[in-house]
Amino acid sequence: NAGVMQNPRHLVRRRGQEARLRCSPMKGHSHVYWYRQLPEEGLKFMVYLQKENIIDESGMPKERFSAEFPKEGPSILRIQQVVRGDSAAYFCASSPQGPNNSPLHFGNGTRLTVT
Amino acid sequence: SQQGEEDPQALSIQEGENATMNCSYKTSINNLQWYRQNSGRGLVHLILIRSNEREKHSGRLRVTLDTSKKSSSLLITASRAADTASYFCATVINAGKSTFGDGTTLTVKP
Repeated sequence: NAGVMQNPRHLVRRRGQEARLRCSPMKGHSHVYWYRQLPEEGLKFMVYLQKENIIDESGMPKERFSAEFPKEGPSILRIQQVVRGDSAAYFCASSPQGPNNSPLHFGNGTRLTVT
Repeated sequence: SQQGEEDPQALSIQEGENATMNCSYKTSINNLQWYRQNSGRGLVHLILIRSNEREKHSGRLRVTLDTSKKSSSLLITASRAADTASYFCATVINAGKSTFGDGTTLTVKP
């Protein structure tokens, strides 16, 4: 049973370009979470999705950032018109049930560098 | 401000010693989880403890939860060099998101 798969592992974008980060949850997991991590810091929550629905997007910047988890295919975190401050590691996690009942299984992250 | 905050920020011990890390939080929780992160990797879940539990064990790991003090501790006994990593606590409130602290960086010297 493959774990949470994130790709690409590393992504370099110039300012103003778009970044698309993909996350395939573990088999049987319908809950997906995106977090951002800066060096030497903890994970900052961005968005929680459950198959085609956004449950909590309180951590998502209002502009330029969007996330989806379609019925078929991976979850996508999309950052439009990237700026240098978007450089970070972005982690996706999945769980079979909601956060009350099951721990999160993390991917190894996508490291975004904006030049 | 952070819901969960780990203490200390950094801890350095010799192999074979015990390591204790603490986590404090601000509001009532449904459960608290401890995770480990090796450099450049994703987080790995260690233990989940529910608000009605006081202590849980898993191998060399022991987690306690004191809801009256809003705090939890993670004890790693007989540490090994391979335990070197960052350790994070995460709290869940009312079926919402898991909120992480900034972690404790543990270094175990061989």
